[in-house]
Amino acid sequence: DQQVKQNSPSLSVQEGRISILNCDYTNSMFDYFLWYKKYPAEGPTFLISISSIKDKNEDGRFTVFLNKSAKHLSLHIVPSQPGDSAVYFCAARGPNSNSGYALNFGKGTSLLVTP
Amino acid sequence: DTGVSQNPRHKITKRGQNVTFRCDPISEHNRLYWYRQTLGQGPEFLTYFQNEAQLEKSRLLSDRFSAERPKGSFSTLEIQRTEQGDSAMYLCASEGPNYGYTFGSGTRLTVV
Repeated sequence: DQQVKQNSPSLSVQEGRISILNCDYTNSMFDYFLWYKKYPAEGPTFLISISSIKDKNEDGRFTVFLNKSAKHLSLHIVPSQPGDSAVYFCAARGPNSNSGYALNFGKGTSLLVTP
Repeated sequence: DTGVSQNPRHKITKRGQNVTFRCDPISEHNRLYWYRQTLGQGPEFLTYFQNEAQLEKSRLLSDRFSAERPKGSFSTLEIQRTEQGDSAMYLCASEGPNYGYTFGSGTRLTVV
């Protein structure tokens, strides 16, 4: 059962504009959320995170918003740059009957930033 | 210590052979995880160590899979009698304070 869902497999944005990547989750016990960026043939690289007690966290061009009532989070990248082109994974941490402290990942959204 | 190191980066093996992967975590991290990623999917949890103790195992980890972390340092993941369905990227991650997960570059396994 997929507890973390990224319903948009791909997104294309022009350079300089805002990229918005969305993520939904089903487990209300998740207490920490992370976004990872992944290039082909490499491991995921940590981007930004947010605790469930917050609704916004900002780091430079990256901002993550959390709406707990909707079980929804989003990653905003502004302005978008061609180097941001990668696959972005949403992940959630929390009590899980099967994996303790492990992260639950979505399937990823492939972002393409065009010049 | 610059991060999580995984070896080999790529492994091609014939069906039925055994393979072993190694992960060297960030030295001060006491939690270590193995994940598997297949095409079009996010990483899926396989197993987790707290120091040398293997505390959790996923349903994905069949009897052909075994993982160890002797002395709570590096970890190995062995797959016996490999099958074509085992072809995937195997990722190791170590966790430090404040939920600081760091992933290695992964081992790409191809079973032919």
